[in-house]
Amino acid sequence: QSALTQEASVSGTVGQEVTLSCTGNSNNIGSYAVAWYQQISHGAPKTVMFGNSLSSGIPDRFSGSKSGTTASLTISGLQPEDEADYYCSTWDYSLSAPVFGGGTKLTVL
Amino acid sequence: QVQLQESGPGLVKPSQTLSLTCAVSGGSISSDDYYWSWIRQHPGKGLEWIGYIYYSGSPYYKSSLQSRLTISVDTSKSQFSLRLYSVTAADTAVYYCARARRVGDMLYFDYWGQGTLVTVSS
Repeated sequence: QSALTQEASVSGTVGQEVTLSCTGNSNNIGSYAVAWYQQISHGAPKTVMFGNSLSSGIPDRFSGSKSGTTASLTISGLQPEDEADYYCSTWDYSLSAPVFGGGTKLTVL
Repeated sequence: QVQLQESGPGLVKPSQTLSLTCAVSGGSISSDDYYWSWIRQHPGKGLEWIGYIYYSGSPYYKSSLQSRLTISVDTSKSQFSLRLYSVTAADTAVYYCARARRVGDMLYFDYWGQGTLVTVSS
């Protein structure tokens, strides 16, 4: 069981805006910034963003936000190449360790 | 551009030791702001942090693996290693090495290796 909770699956059509959520508690998301990772076809994870900062090479249709103990990754203008598994991650104060969500499988219809 | 590359046996027998090495290039392993990490992914499952080490040699392990795990670093070779003892089929996974960047009092992973599948089977 993951420390952070994500939707198992989300789908959207090309051009649509989709939002993926990541829910934790006051020991993790409530206290720290959140990172998002993209994993395409079970390949190596790629860092999408940390906090509000996009990683190099990530298109600006990706954006992140956080409210309380829930973080969100929004993809505007969904593209076929965005189909992937997305994982959220942050630090957990009580564990003194990084934690991950279970991942969301994003399908582009 | 930092690159990380895992290497090691793809098949390990039950009760034996899983040993992997991660070679770091394109950046200094001795940089103050980075920790060198291992993360694994069981087949069809999510990501699981295993542990990390600072270049000075201070390791931090996931509590549930602490009794079976050793992570070490060799700055002269720009590499770090993982040894997981007394493995079982439950340790079958893709093992990733990654660089963790320190931001304030937290870490996040900014560069990842390609991953290597390790199967525990007789």
